[in-house]
Amino acid sequence: KAGVTQTPRYLIKTRGQQVTLSCSPISGHRSVSWYQQTPGQGLQFLFEYFSETQRNKGNFPGRFSGRQFSNSRSEMNVSTLELGDSALYLCASSLLETQYFGPGTRLLVL
Amino acid sequence: GENVEQHPSTLSVQEGDSAVIKCTYSDSASNYFPWYKQELGKGPQLIIDIRSNVGEKKDQRIAVTLNKTAKHFSLHITETQPEDSAVYFCAAIRIKAAGNKLTFGGGTRVLVKP
Repeated sequence: KAGVTQTPRYLIKTRGQQVTLSCSPISGHRSVSWYQQTPGQGLQFLFEYFSETQRNKGNFPGRFSGRQFSNSRSEMNVSTLELGDSALYLCASSLLETQYFGPGTRLLVL
Repeated sequence: GENVEQHPSTLSVQEGDSAVIKCTYSDSASNYFPWYKQELGKGPQLIIDIRSNVGEKKDQRIAVTLNKTAKHFSLHITETQPEDSAVYFCAAIRIKAAGNKLTFGGGTRVLVKP
């Protein structure tokens, strides 16, 4: 079974721009969660989608948003990028409670 | 909300020795505790997990123990090998129908010296 895939793997943007990251979950998994990983803050939960509905949300500003499509694929969007948004963005899919992570998208904001 | 603390932040062991990483959690309602291994340039990979109705679980050289009373759980790696070098994360979650949110510890960088 194919694992979680994320595109793109690397991205460079400048302050003020917006970015969209994509995640394809493991086949059959309906829950997709997003996490931000930085050296200073570690792994932090952004949000979770299940059956196209946001089911959980972390403590991030409204510039961070997401959505899920009927095929369970998910996208997250960050608008008005700030330098501090530079991070590894990880997507995880789950059938029940066990979450399986993708390789991440490394975003660098200049 | 849940808070997970992980110690030590770095751990250096000689090949063949054992490594132990400890985590404490704050929410007594947490009932699922996974451990992830993250290698450079990769996403976290689940290596073992334990549910609150179990006190210990083993998988080859890896074991996890859970003490619900003290609210702490530990990862034990025996007979360490160079390929065990990575960053390890513990996490805790209260499984509920309204969604799951993993809270992670700060990570432990393990270096196995040959």
